[in-house]
Amino acid sequence: EPEVTQTPSHQVTQMGQEVILRCVPISNHLYFYWYRQILGQKVEFLVSFYNNEISEKSEIFDDQFSVERPDGSNFTLKIRSTKLEDSAMYFCASSEAEEIGDGYTFGSGTRLTVV
Amino acid sequence: GQQLNQSPQSMFIQEGEDVSMNCTSSSIFNTWLWYKQDPGEGPVLLIALYKAGELTSNGRLTAQFGITRKDSFLNISASIPSDVGIYFCAGRDFYGGSQGNLIFGKGTKLSVKP
Repeated sequence: EPEVTQTPSHQVTQMGQEVILRCVPISNHLYFYWYRQILGQKVEFLVSFYNNEISEKSEIFDDQFSVERPDGSNFTLKIRSTKLEDSAMYFCASSEAEEIGDGYTFGSGTRLTVV
Repeated sequence: GQQLNQSPQSMFIQEGEDVSMNCTSSSIFNTWLWYKQDPGEGPVLLIALYKAGELTSNGRLTAQFGITRKDSFLNISASIPSDVGIYFCAGRDFYGGSQGNLIFGKGTKLSVKP
């Protein structure tokens, strides 16, 4: 079954450092998303990406965050200068089309710890 | 912004028991999704609902999309130990200006009765 692949699975970084979280969406999917889950809390939307541009972003997705699709397969989330409160699980998701709910697939996540 | 109220927050199950959880919203969604999340993993889709009133089953799981489009329930029949985990409802709104991102409930944590 097709998977969304995320790397690394764990990342520890010092406050103020830049991190790049990587995702390989399912190959025929056109819509890409990043979500965040702080430990013990609900999953929160960060940003959606379609046709090489951001479609929508939440209040969490401030100027410290950016996304990029550098090639035909990868989708990255960059945090420019990490803060302690950026510690969370970050999930990438992709979907084939806006209308299809059951094609909306999440990766296993990257656990980011900012120290 | 849109919010989903999911209940109960947690529940204990004994093997063989039926389980029920639900989500309500103050606003309308046009798709409801139910996910299960195991520790250290991403959410895995269980059931997707597209039409108001729709009742859908997936094995021992049954979910319904409320007629008002503002609520949904998930039932698990004859629970087994591997049902333990956190269950999230998620709503998706295409027509409110959103591009289809998901709004998640806070989750229902299923644990085994000691």
